[in-house]
Amino acid sequence: DGGITQSPKYLFRKEGQNVTLSCEQNLNHDAMYWYRQDPGQGLRLIYYSQIVNDFQKGDIAEGYSVSREKKESFPLTVTSAQKNPTAFYLCASSMGQNPYNEQFFGPGTRLTVL
Amino acid sequence: AQRVTQPEKLLSVFKGAPVELKCNYSYSGSPELFWYVQYSRQRLQLLLRHISRESIKGFTADLNKGETSFHLKKPFAQEEDSAMYYCALKSGGYNKLIFGAGTRLAVHP
Repeated sequence: DGGITQSPKYLFRKEGQNVTLSCEQNLNHDAMYWYRQDPGQGLRLIYYSQIVNDFQKGDIAEGYSVSREKKESFPLTVTSAQKNPTAFYLCASSMGQNPYNEQFFGPGTRLTVL
Repeated sequence: AQRVTQPEKLLSVFKGAPVELKCNYSYSGSPELFWYVQYSRQRLQLLLRHISRESIKGFTADLNKGETSFHLKKPFAQEEDSAMYYCALKSGGYNKLIFGAGTRLAVHP
């Protein structure tokens, strides 16, 4: 495996704390995405970015923030405003706006709020 | 509203039996649909896309606009097909995907 890396694999956080999940890709992809995966709900889009220094809210952006300062990096911050942050988080990337471009996924980070 | 529905959480079959994983969508326009698969301890990955009309690992999926369906089929299931399968719909002008809740396929020997 390679291409897209996410760290850490497991993350524990106390209530009220912000935490940042890392996502890095070396595929030279323009677009990057953050999804949240919950049992029985599939994947839901949190934020996406089509190009450096630009990003858009997805379907469940409340309580999350992102930045895209470099092409290869798209970190996700889970803030204390996120009411139910315990979940599995997946990062993905794709070449660009071509609708048939495959999205490549990272291994995921499991966040648990204690 | 744009939506993808996978009605079965779990599909359990015996090796050699035919498999059909159901996917229905709601979309106003010309849909672009995909099947993604996640094998145990592996990353989520693209299995096939309707535009390619391809067969991957023996799986096929036909877009039926009349029934708004994109069911995934395989005539003879193998144990290595056991995995989580997600149907996805491209949404909007960018390469955004709306995923269904997923169906776990379990193929027994």
